[in-house]
Amino acid sequence: DVVMTQTPVSLPVSLGGQASISCRSSQSLVHSNGNTYLHWYLQKPGQSPQLLIYRVSNRFSGVPDRFSGSGSGTDFTLKISRVEPEDLGDYYCLQSTHFPYTFGAGTKLELK
Amino acid sequence: QVQLKESGPGLVQPSQTLSLTCTVSGFSLTDYSVHWVRQPPGKGLEWMGRIQSGGSTDYNSALKSRLSISRDTSKSQVFLKMNSLQTEDTAIYFCTRYPFAYWGQGTLVTVSS
Repeated sequence: DVVMTQTPVSLPVSLGGQASISCRSSQSLVHSNGNTYLHWYLQKPGQSPQLLIYRVSNRFSGVPDRFSGSGSGTDFTLKISRVEPEDLGDYYCLQSTHFPYTFGAGTKLELK
Repeated sequence: QVQLKESGPGLVQPSQTLSLTCTVSGFSLTDYSVHWVRQPPGKGLEWMGRIQSGGSTDYNSALKSRLSISRDTSKSQVFLKMNSLQTEDTAIYFCTRYPFAYWGQGTLVTVSS
């Protein structure tokens, strides 16, 4: 199985500041069709996860442009600029290139 | 609009079989794959398996021997069955439509005698 190593586990931030979360995979996430199936989700307490970024860098509908995704191969990053209170919660990366799909262990974004 | 909703028993006894239903609306099961994801209390997310738009299934190898996913397209329902439940199967179970842009609210299943 592809292991998704997500860091840091916890990320204290100040409102208005910037946050960066890393996700590294144990093997390349480039599919045989040329696409890279790496996605990012935010889960707020008591809620279902919500899709932020799909296929590395595409913001889902309604996601503010403060969220951006980048990376390639095995190394990916989610950046959040100008952090707002509604951004706090648990962030997960997911790879859906290889079966079984696997999630990172999560990063808790919390106030400093 | 797209909606998914899980339903099933909140409590299952150890060694018994879990049966959950995901009822969807706003889209057809013949157009999209539906997946099951679970989350033990306070822990991370685990992909369990999927049923594709054509009806074929894929499972997490860690669960494959115990897990079955099926559907009834006429009722817009997807079913999860998992046998030989143990306490470590206690989790919130979600159904979601790929690429997981739409999720159900989740249903908590507790495995306990």
